[in-house]
Amino acid sequence: GAGVSQSPRYKVTKRGQDVTLRCDPISSHATLYWYQQALGQGPEFLTYFNYEAQPDKSGLPSDRFSAERPEGSISTLTIQRTEQRDSAMYRCASSLTSGTPAGEQFFGPGTRLTVL
Amino acid sequence: AQSVTQLGSHVSVSEGALVLLRCNYSSSVPPYLFWYVQYPNQGLQLLLKYTSAATLVKGINGFEAEFKKSETSFHLTKPSAHMSDAAEYFCAVSGSGSARQLTFGSGTQLTVLP
Repeated sequence: GAGVSQSPRYKVTKRGQDVTLRCDPISSHATLYWYQQALGQGPEFLTYFNYEAQPDKSGLPSDRFSAERPEGSISTLTIQRTEQRDSAMYRCASSLTSGTPAGEQFFGPGTRLTVL
Repeated sequence: AQSVTQLGSHVSVSEGALVLLRCNYSSSVPPYLFWYVQYPNQGLQLLLKYTSAATLVKGINGFEAEFKKSETSFHLTKPSAHMSDAAEYFCAVSGSGSARQLTFGSGTQLTVLP
C-alpha cells in the first residue's frame, strides 16, 4: 500500500479479554516493527520481523504478548488476558530493511487500546 | 545501550519566534539520530536524520538539527515558528543490533502562540 495502515484505530476491551491488532506495512518493505507507547512517553520497541522471521522478541513485556507475520506482509499483535497496564498506543512501522542503521522507519497511525 | 533524553516536555513559542527543542543522547557506538514529528491522529513522520555525513542536518518544513559530539546533543531548531508546527516531537537513536530498533525520548509538545 501507499503507507502503513493499522486496524482497528481504537479498541476498548475488558480486563481478561484477548485482543488482536493488525498492521499492513508498505508492500515493498521487508522489515516490520511493533512499538508500545504509553501516555506521555515515546514509543518503546516490542519486536520486529524480517519478512516472516522474528529474530527479536526481547521487548515483549510478558508471554501474554505475541506477534505473527506468517506470509511476510501483514502482521498481527495479540495480547492475551489483557490487563489495565496494557492500555497504550500500539504503533507499527516498516522499513525497506533492518540492515541499514539509518534506514527510515515509516509509522502507521497506531491503535489506541483501552483496557477497562 | 543507547538512550535519549529530551529536555522540556512542553515548549511554547510565539509565531515567528525561534524554535529550539533539546535532545541529548547516550550511545556506546557512533549514533544514528532522528527527529520525528507526530500530529494528532497521525503516525510519526520523519523530520530529519543524522548519519555522520554532515553535522548540520536539514529536514522538512524548515527544521534543522546540529550534531555535537562533544555535548552529546542533537537539538532541533527552526528560525521562525508557524502555527502549523504545533505538534509533538520525538528524538530517537537507532539501535546497534540487528533489529535497528529506535529508542525514543519522551517527547516534547510544541505549542505555537498567535
